[in-house]
Amino acid sequence: RKEVEQDPGPFNVPEGATVAFNCTYSNSASQSFFWYRQDCRKEPKLLMSVYSSGNEDGRFTAQLNRASQYISLLIRDSKLSDSATYLCVVNTGFQKLVFGTGTRLLVSP
Amino acid sequence: ETGVTQTPRHLVMGMTNKKSLKCEQHLGHNAMYWYKQSAKKPLELMFVYSLEERVENNSVPSRFSPECPNSSHLFLHLHTLQPEDSALYLCASSLGTGEETQYFGPGTRLLVL
Repeated sequence: RKEVEQDPGPFNVPEGATVAFNCTYSNSASQSFFWYRQDCRKEPKLLMSVYSSGNEDGRFTAQLNRASQYISLLIRDSKLSDSATYLCVVNTGFQKLVFGTGTRLLVSP
Repeated sequence: ETGVTQTPRHLVMGMTNKKSLKCEQHLGHNAMYWYKQSAKKPLELMFVYSLEERVENNSVPSRFSPECPNSSHLFLHLHTLQPEDSALYLCASSLGTGEETQYFGPGTRLLVL
């Protein structure tokens, strides 16, 4: 079983749509959780950290369910500029980040 | 953004060549990392340095040799690489080795012929 699993997509959605990505992780001792965004041929950039209570940043909402070991990212009112690959990242301790393969999002006009 | 810089951005080398990748961070961070990103695969952590001391070596072949002369600079020395080593090599830094956010450089895209 992979340490971090994501649906690779692509998710094709029209502008203005709401889209949700899920991610599961296998290490129950994982310490912290993140969503990174990676544009084509660019480096990953932190989108948001994920907290147990859930957190929101504008159009983006992240949730963590420790009991079920999954993380979600919800994007509301999708923009063309949201097209990218979204990486689910789990810190298993001692700064060891484990990355999922990413979920590709394509937002069309 | 120039927080973490990497040179060169692109590199083509033969299997018998020796080359080095350079990373520099201007964020005052104490931890630096090398990652490998191959097509269709997740990022793989290669090495972790904390205060210039290597704290993690993720079973990386010896043809990759890291060097961290100070907390701002990180090198990856390459020799006798294989074509399957072609990938995007990303450097990252963080304030410490706890749960702080890691910031990535733009990467070096390496092609081994």
